[in-house]
Amino acid sequence: QVQLVESGGGVVQPGGSLRLSCAASGFTFSTFGMHWVRQAPGKGLEWVAFIRYNGHAEYANSMRGRFTISRDDSKNTLYLQMNGLRGEDTAVYYCAKDLSGASYYDYWGQGTLVTVSS
Amino acid sequence: EIVMTQSPATLSVSPGERATLSCRASQSVSDNLAWYQQKPGQAPRLLIFGASTRATGIPARFSGSGSGTEFTLTISSLQSEDFAVYYCQQYNSGADFGPGTKVDIK
Repeated sequence: QVQLVESGGGVVQPGGSLRLSCAASGFTFSTFGMHWVRQAPGKGLEWVAFIRYNGHAEYANSMRGRFTISRDDSKNTLYLQMNGLRGEDTAVYYCAKDLSGASYYDYWGQGTLVTVSS
Repeated sequence: EIVMTQSPATLSVSPGERATLSCRASQSVSDNLAWYQQKPGQAPRLLIFGASTRATGIPARFSGSGSGTEFTLTISSLQSEDFAVYYCQQYNSGADFGPGTKVDIK
């Protein structure tokens, strides 16, 4: 069965960096687009970034230039490198698999919490 | 960016009753609209995509309709496990979520 397991969250100071990972299993990882979606405490969902099967990446405006999404198909792993972190980046970060190349998500990980605080 | 709005913010419903949730897009998204259910402490679960297609394993009491800018999620007879927050999401251009509708017990 499909599994997505995020890791790498934690507490980081403003201006700091963190790299999230998402280990995928149960499907042919290299053929699907993958996304990061975040949810601030008590708030709604916000799309962060997307990477196609061919490596093409797109970002939400507020993350562009600070966050980098990447993938290692040999390890079935998705990454999110986050630099210049701000308080408003505090959230649970989910990785999600898209379906049929469209940006809706049929499987989600359990999420990893990132807290930006001094 | 496409702005998604949902109404009402909270919907109080008795078990067995029908629930109707609305979602509006600031510009046409065709039928590129998905609905998700989220329970506390859990990841969202895909219910509907293509505005009206149920995802795998989703009960028939969930149905979606609409196109363009106006969409509806209907839960025909609420079960105890359906009390949750529901989000709509457009994927016609990028990906934007609505703020959610909380369905709670009346």
